[in-house]
Amino acid sequence: GQNIDQPTEMTATEGAIVQINCTYQTSGFNGLFWYQQHAGEAPTFLSYNVLDGLEEKGRFSSFLSRSKGYSYLLLKELQMKDSASYLCAVKDDYKLSFGAGTTVTVRA
Amino acid sequence: GAVVSQHPSRVICKSGTSVKIECRSLDFQATTMFWYRQFPKQSLMLMATSNEGSKATYEQGVEKDKFLINHASLTLSTLTVTSAHPEDSSFYICSAQSGGAEKLFFGSGTQLSVL
Repeated sequence: GQNIDQPTEMTATEGAIVQINCTYQTSGFNGLFWYQQHAGEAPTFLSYNVLDGLEEKGRFSSFLSRSKGYSYLLLKELQMKDSASYLCAVKDDYKLSFGAGTTVTVRA
Repeated sequence: GAVVSQHPSRVICKSGTSVKIECRSLDFQATTMFWYRQFPKQSLMLMATSNEGSKATYEQGVEKDKFLINHASLTLSTLTVTSAHPEDSSFYICSAQSGGAEKLFFGSGTQLSVL
């Protein structure tokens, strides 16, 4: 099985930076994903890490350390539209399992 | 990019009736499709994995006779909630995978409300 942990909620100010941490324990590892989900909508893909290191994509960056079972999603230059739930998901040999999600609230 | 179409987006039904949800991959062949359920303010919980032409694999605690999954072609999978009850009210989301692709493509979800 898999155990995926991430904080429940985070609040930040518009224009600031927020880092969402995710720790996991899995019986097999084939990549870690970050998704953004707005209320009542399906998740949208943000990033994918399978090797250690930092992946940067515009305002969003994701980091992975496989030896530590740890990842983070970094959101820079926060905008109001970034208020959403951010889901950490780990893929084992055949399926993707999700963490409970971190609700990020961006305040003006 | 890849598109997965899911419908209906919202359905309200009476207790005891059955509801069918369709998931189609529009521009790629999906060898594997996944069905998730999400309760308010909770994460996605995998219900079952379906492979084209074979029986679905259900996660522990998911009743296969209640949640019927059919994956008859490489572009279509259906989830039928049989004899729906109010506790089945949830947000159901499908996702599709093409071959060994590392990304899953999600449908837009179906909000089921059972009265």
